[in-house]
Amino acid sequence: DAGVIQSPRHEVTEMGQEVTLRCKPISGHDYLFWYRQTMMRGLELLIYFNNNVPIDDSGMPEDRFSAKMPNASFSTLKIQPSEPRDSAVYFCATSGGSYNEQFFGPGTRLTVL
Amino acid sequence: AQKITQTQPGMFVQEKEAVTLDCTYDTSDPSYGLFWYKQPSSGEMIFLIYQGSYDQQNATEGRYSLNFQKARKSANLVISASQLGDSAMYFCAMRDSRGFQKLVFGTGTRLLVSP
Repeated sequence: DAGVIQSPRHEVTEMGQEVTLRCKPISGHDYLFWYRQTMMRGLELLIYFNNNVPIDDSGMPEDRFSAKMPNASFSTLKIQPSEPRDSAVYFCATSGGSYNEQFFGPGTRLTVL
Repeated sequence: AQKITQTQPGMFVQEKEAVTLDCTYDTSDPSYGLFWYKQPSSGEMIFLIYQGSYDQQNATEGRYSLNFQKARKSANLVISASQLGDSAMYFCAMRDSRGFQKLVFGTGTRLLVSP
């Protein structure tokens, strides 16, 4: 299995631009999570889905952030418009395995100038 | 509310020695699970070990073991025979039945293994 796939791995953009982060989950995993990691705030859960349905988006910082999961094979996290304070590493994770542990993708390092 | 506390921002250990990374947790739910993840400098998050609240035995996975003390609400990670490749950030996390599949993470402990 290829694991959780995220793209792009690195994104540099200018303030005000739209940013779209993509995630392909592990096949058969029913839950998908989006996290953000910064030095100041650590690892934060933004939103998670179960069977493509958003369950809890209370971690989404503001309306500039949106996430979708149109099918079991694909999810996006969009930031529009982006701001410098959005600079972080964004992880996608899916849960499965013996303990329903979460498997993380490699992350997308976002820099907003 | 769920909470994970890791009080050691950094730890140092010499190669081949054992090291214990501390984790305490707080939940009122009797059914919960505890996880440890490793994040090397390359950035990926790697699952290491799991302990369920009803498990009778402490979890072990190779050189990793979990010192689970339920009454004290602690779930310390023990790494035996440290290797240089163990240098990384280590995160403790918890999931309880009310949080569905959500994990709550601690702030992490940075481990440095010296030759």
